[in-house]
Amino acid sequence: AQKITQTQPGMFVQEKEAVTLDCTYDTSDQSYGLFWYKQPSSGEMIFLIYQGSYDEQNATEGRYSLNFQKARKSANLVISASQLGDSAMYFCAMRWPMNRDDKIIFGKGTRLHILP
Amino acid sequence: EPEVTQTPSHQVTQMGQEVILRCVPISNHLYFYWYRQILGQKVEFLVSFYNNEISEKSEIFDDQFSVERPDGSNFTLKIRSTKLEDSAMYFCASSGGEQYFGPGTRLTVT
Repeated sequence: AQKITQTQPGMFVQEKEAVTLDCTYDTSDQSYGLFWYKQPSSGEMIFLIYQGSYDEQNATEGRYSLNFQKARKSANLVISASQLGDSAMYFCAMRWPMNRDDKIIFGKGTRLHILP
Repeated sequence: EPEVTQTPSHQVTQMGQEVILRCVPISNHLYFYWYRQILGQKVEFLVSFYNNEISEKSEIFDDQFSVERPDGSNFTLKIRSTKLEDSAMYFCASSGGEQYFGPGTRLTVT
């Protein structure tokens, strides 16, 4: 069965430092999509970044980049130059196959605290 | 920018009561979803809906739950007889490509 693992329940990072949030996944499918979502204390789910399993380049969106290592089944989120507003819960998620209309499954999340 | 909306933002109900959570998906989307997040836990898939019928549902989505698209714009989740363990944040999502999530409805069952 497909599974998403986020091993860091919480992280504390100094403002302006880069942050790496870990995510590993388990699937036997070749076609899948990987996502990261941010959930601030207000509760909404904010889409951050997407990586398709066939994409050769790592996805980037502004300060967010996804370090995709397919052989290791790893999809870590990197936030460069962290800001206080980055404090939130972050969820790694997967969809398989890569069909854009399939359900998404989520990891348990990492709570990120940015310190001033 | 188009967005998924959900009402109410917070619903408090007594155990055993019926609740209906409402969602307005993005207008040209064809696929709709409900997810649930119990406080402090991960987001869990409940059900997907396409072409006026359920396309997939999880084991959480038992006979107490139902979904409906009563008109061209709304997508509803009904819980027939709420239990304490139904207390959670319920997210609606719609897809015309990527899935966009609504802001959620926090359901509190007392």
